[in-house]
Amino acid sequence: EAGVAQSPRYKIIEKRQSVAFWCNPISGHATLYWYQQILGQGPKLLIQFQNNGVVDDSQLPKDRFSAERLKGVDSTLKIQPAKLEDSAVYLCASSSSWGQANEKLFFGSGTQLSVL
Amino acid sequence: GNSVTQMEGPVTLSEEAFLTINCTYTATGYPSLFWYVQYPGEGLQLLLKATKADDKGSNKGFEATYRKETTSFHLEKGSVQVSDSAVYFCALSMRGSTLGRLYFGRGTQLTVWP
Repeated sequence: EAGVAQSPRYKIIEKRQSVAFWCNPISGHATLYWYQQILGQGPKLLIQFQNNGVVDDSQLPKDRFSAERLKGVDSTLKIQPAKLEDSAVYLCASSSSWGQANEKLFFGSGTQLSVL
Repeated sequence: GNSVTQMEGPVTLSEEAFLTINCTYTATGYPSLFWYVQYPGEGLQLLLKATKADDKGSNKGFEATYRKETTSFHLEKGSVQVSDSAVYFCALSMRGSTLGRLYFGRGTQLTVWP
C-alpha cells in the first residue's frame, strides 16, 4: 500500500515569512497527526485529527500555527509568521484505528524547515 | 506527566556486537510501550511494541521487555548488522486513552561499522 506522503521535502524561509506543509495519509486512515521534531529531540505532537475534526491541539502554538483536514483526507499545516525556533522536521502520521493506545502509526518522511 | 528518557547517543558498534539502548518511562497510568526506528531519509517505522507488564516485543532480531517494576523498556539485539544503522526512538501511549498520542524519547543514533 502507498505510504504517508508529505511535501515539500525541504523548505528554507526567512523569519516572519509564511509556510505551508501538505500531508496525504494512507487511504482509509481516519486518524491523522502532525508532529514537530526539533534537532536532538523526539517528535512532539502538535495536533491530532479524527476524520476532519480536531481531537487534540493542546500543544499547537495557535498564535502562529494552524492546521486543517478538509474532507477528512489531506491535511495542511501552516506557520504564519515563522520564527527561528520553528526550524524543525514536521512529521505527518496516520493510523486506521480511532486513536487507541496500542495502535500502529505510519509516518511520512517529513518536511525539514529551516528558518533563517 | 508522561515522558520517556533514552540513553544518550550516539552509539557506535562493530558488526556482530551486542546492542542495548536503555529506555525508562514516567506515566500517569498504565502505558503501552513502543520502539520506532528511523532509517536515513525515511519516516519513522514501528519496530516493536508491548502492551502490558512482562510482555516481550520482538522483530528483526530486536527485543524489548516491558518491566513495570523498573519502568523500563530496554532495546536489545544480540548481533547487530551494518543495516541496523539508524535512529531508535522509545515511545509510550496511554492505555485507556482514546487519543493514541505517542510520547517520544529524544532518540538514539546507532552506527554499525563493518
